[in-house]
Amino acid sequence: EVQLVESGGGLVKPGGSLRLSCAASGFPFGGYNMAWVRQAPGKGLEWISYIDTTSRYIYYADSVKGRFTISRDNAKTSLYLHMNSLRAEDTAFYYCVKESRQLEYFDSWGQGSLVTVSS
Amino acid sequence: SYVLTQPPSVSVAPGKTASITCGGNNIGGQNVHWYQQRPGQAPVLVLYYDTDRPSGTPERFSGSNSGSTATLTINRVEAGDEADYFCQVWDSNSDHPGVFGGGTKLTVL
Repeated sequence: EVQLVESGGGLVKPGGSLRLSCAASGFPFGGYNMAWVRQAPGKGLEWISYIDTTSRYIYYADSVKGRFTISRDNAKTSLYLHMNSLRAEDTAFYYCVKESRQLEYFDSWGQGSLVTVSS
Repeated sequence: SYVLTQPPSVSVAPGKTASITCGGNNIGGQNVHWYQQRPGQAPVLVLYYDTDRPSGTPERFSGSNSGSTATLTINRVEAGDEADYFCQVWDSNSDHPGVFGGGTKLTVL
C-alpha cells in the first residue's frame, strides 16, 4: 500500500523558514516523479512544485519560485520542501503527491501538513 | 499560463445525474484528470486521461473532453458523492506545468 506521510508543518513568523518532509513507502520511490500541492484553508488546490526521479527536472509555480526548493533523497525514500521568506499567503495544507507511472496526474496523496504563517 | 475554469457549485437530487464542467482553451487537446475531496480529507483521483477510472472509482463516474470543455458526469448520485471536485491538466509547454481548476462543490440535495 502506498503511504505518503508529511511532517514539519507548524506556525512560523512572516519571513521565516520551514522544511517539510514526506516519508514515502509501499512503492519504489526512486522510480516515480513527485510533487507538492497546497491548499489554503477553504480554498482550491494549487500545484507548487515538481521533481523528477533523478532531480534533473524541477519546476515551480510562480508564487513560490525563488523562495521554495524541492528536493528528494531516493535512498531515504523521502521528498522535501524547503520554504524560505514565508508570507501569510503561504498558509495552507501542503500535500506530498506521487505522479502516476503514466505521467501527468497524481495517483496518491498524503494527508497533508499545515503550515501557518502568522506573527 | 493555462487556466482551467470550473463552476463554484453544482446541486443535484439523489438518484439524478450531476455534470461538472472544466473549461480551458482547447482543453480537448489536453488530458484532463479529476479529483474528489471530501470534507476534512485529502483529494483522491477519480478519473484520469479524460475517461479512465482508477480501481475504486464507481462506474457511475464518467468523463468526456472536447473543444473547450471537459465534463465529469456522475450518474445516480448518492449522498456520499457530496464533495469538492477539481480538474487538472499537465501543461507540458510551460515551466510551471501543473494546473488545477478552482474546484466545484457538489451538493446532494
